[in-house]
Amino acid sequence: AQRVTQPEKLLSVFKGAPVELKCNYSYSGSPELFWYVQYSRQRLQLLLRHISRESIKGFTADLNKGETSFHLKKPFAQEEDSAMYYCALKGGGYQKVTFGTGTKLQVIP
Amino acid sequence: KAGVTQTPRYLIKTRGQQVTLSCSPISGHRSVSWYQQTPGQGLQFLFEYFSETQRNKGNFPGRFSGRQFSNSRSEMNVSTLELGDSALYLCASSLDGRDYEQYFGPGTRLTVT
Repeated sequence: AQRVTQPEKLLSVFKGAPVELKCNYSYSGSPELFWYVQYSRQRLQLLLRHISRESIKGFTADLNKGETSFHLKKPFAQEEDSAMYYCALKGGGYQKVTFGTGTKLQVIP
Repeated sequence: KAGVTQTPRYLIKTRGQQVTLSCSPISGHRSVSWYQQTPGQGLQFLFEYFSETQRNKGNFPGRFSGRQFSNSRSEMNVSTLELGDSALYLCASSLDGRDYEQYFGPGTRLTVT
């Protein structure tokens, strides 16, 4: 079974402070990990995936297989980063995408 | 290119009734997935369809069913509605081979009274 855990429902940080949104997963094989974001009044959309190893809007995420984690980080939070963030996992082949329960990031001006 | 559309956007039903929700994927996308979103549970996977066949199924009771048509449009049906079925139902489409990149619709807000 595949499982994604986001331990924080709400994370509040001040503008300019570093951000780390936690994500832990459970999967027996080699998963693909992703972060999705939902800004206010917008649709849920893909932010980044671990395979691409890219930085999107200043966010990065490293897959740590030893700790089964895929935390999302940004060195300096911006007000426009305030949104709901979902960590997601996909197993191999045509397996479904499993989402975590989400973390609401609130950046305080 | 038009995005994923869902109809209706809002729905109010009474316990015991049934409901059908519709989803039109992005043109060229043959995979359609359905999710139930609630404040406490986040996004929970219902099922995925590809080329009119159910490819994956989540852990929901048999009251929840779906289908996909030859034009990739999909419907989901919930029979014998319960209060706990009140939620936002999201549909997402993706290209074959890129099912990690899901494009979500705006959702249908279902309220069961």
